[in-house]
This record gives sequence, C-alpha cells and structure tokens, in this order.
Amino acid sequence: DTGVSQDPRHKITKRGQNVTFRCDPISEHNRLYWYRQTLGQGPEFLTYFQNEAQLEKSRLLSDRFSAERPKGSFSTLEIQRTEQGDSAMYLCAIILAADTQYFGPGTRLTVL
Amino acid sequence: KQEVTQIPAALSVPEGENLVLNCSFTDSAIYNLQWFRQDPGKGLTSLLLIQSSQREQTSGRLNASLDKSSGRSTLYIAASQPGDSATYLCAVSTGLQGAQKLVFGQGTRLTINP
Repeated sequence: DTGVSQDPRHKITKRGQNVTFRCDPISEHNRLYWYRQTLGQGPEFLTYFQNEAQLEKSRLLSDRFSAERPKGSFSTLEIQRTEQGDSAMYLCAIILAADTQYFGPGTRLTVL
Repeated sequence: KQEVTQIPAALSVPEGENLVLNCSFTDSAIYNLQWFRQDPGKGLTSLLLIQSSQREQTSGRLNASLDKSSGRSTLYIAASQPGDSATYLCAVSTGLQGAQKLVFGQGTRLTINP
C-alpha cells in the first residue's frame, strides 16, 4: 500500500465523452502530481499541486484537460471531449519521507 | 530539456545471475534520482532514491549508484530471482523552485528465467 488510491481503476469511454478521475492520498500531503503513461513508455509529467495551488502544467495538458485539488486533499483530473490519443494510464503520486514519490495504482483509460 | 535513456530496453537472464541496468540523463542539474519497478498493468513501486549529493544507495539485493557529473546511474541486482521480473524505470527529479517533477526513461523490461 503506497498510501494513494485512484478511482476508477479502469475506464472505457467513447470518443467525445468527458471523463473524470480521482486521486486520494490516505493522509494530507503538500504535493500531489499527475503523470500519464502510454504503452511501452515511461510516465510523463502532467501537472502538480502544492496544497490547493496548481503550480505547473505540462504542454501535454491541453485545454481539454483540467485538474483540481480542493482543500489540498484529494485531486481530480477531468478530460473533456476525449480523443483516442488520450488512451493511457493516468498516475497520481505524492511525496512522502525523504523526497520519495509514491504512486497510486493508476487509472487506465481506453477511448473507443 | 532533460532526457533520460535506459539501456538495454529488454534483458533476459537465468535465475541467480547478477545484473546491471543502466540509466543516463542529459542535464546534471537534478535534485535526486529514483528507481522504480512496474509490474504489468500496475502502478510504480519505489525501489531506491539517491539524493544528488550521494553516490549510492542499497536496499537488500539492490544497489543503485549515481555519477551526477557524467549523467549516469546504475541499478545492480544481485542473485536475481524470477520474482524480479518486471519493468524497471529510472527517473530524475527536476524543476524550478524545487518542483521535483520526475522525468522518466522508457524502462528496461527484465525477465528472469527459472
């Protein structure tokens, strides 16, 4: 148990639909990160939060993507008007002791 | 732009062998380097973290080294076991103002044959 849960674990949707993913750390952590991983590749940074503030967004995060972290606890990642190229594993991570990033199990998105 | 490369992309060895996985990065201005393990369809499990001021870290049969000036890290696995079969990912921590966003390599897919 890494201390991070993600919901749902799998999501299948049709192109053009909106989807929302949730990341829940078991306890409060200042920093929360989102990454995206496509098949056979390493994860790529999308965005991160320091408490409620979204401090950086990757160029990968088009205007169809939005992330929030109300009250500095859980976080949501929404994709509007999904495209087939959005199919990937979406990973959430937090920093625990000694700068180590701990990842949740991920949400696998399939866009048909 | 930081780039991370892992060699080899895949490795298959018999059980019991010692092995080395390689990671290189282009920008030496890193906060730390982390090695992860990923099983198929799963999230990432942190194995070892080396701070930029450190040279190596050890955990059980794993030993990771860091040569920041040359932009290289190695992960040494001793006495490999079939349960070590997984993809191993190297990531460097970068970013302004201590953002610590990770830049990953593509991974090395390791198979240990019984």
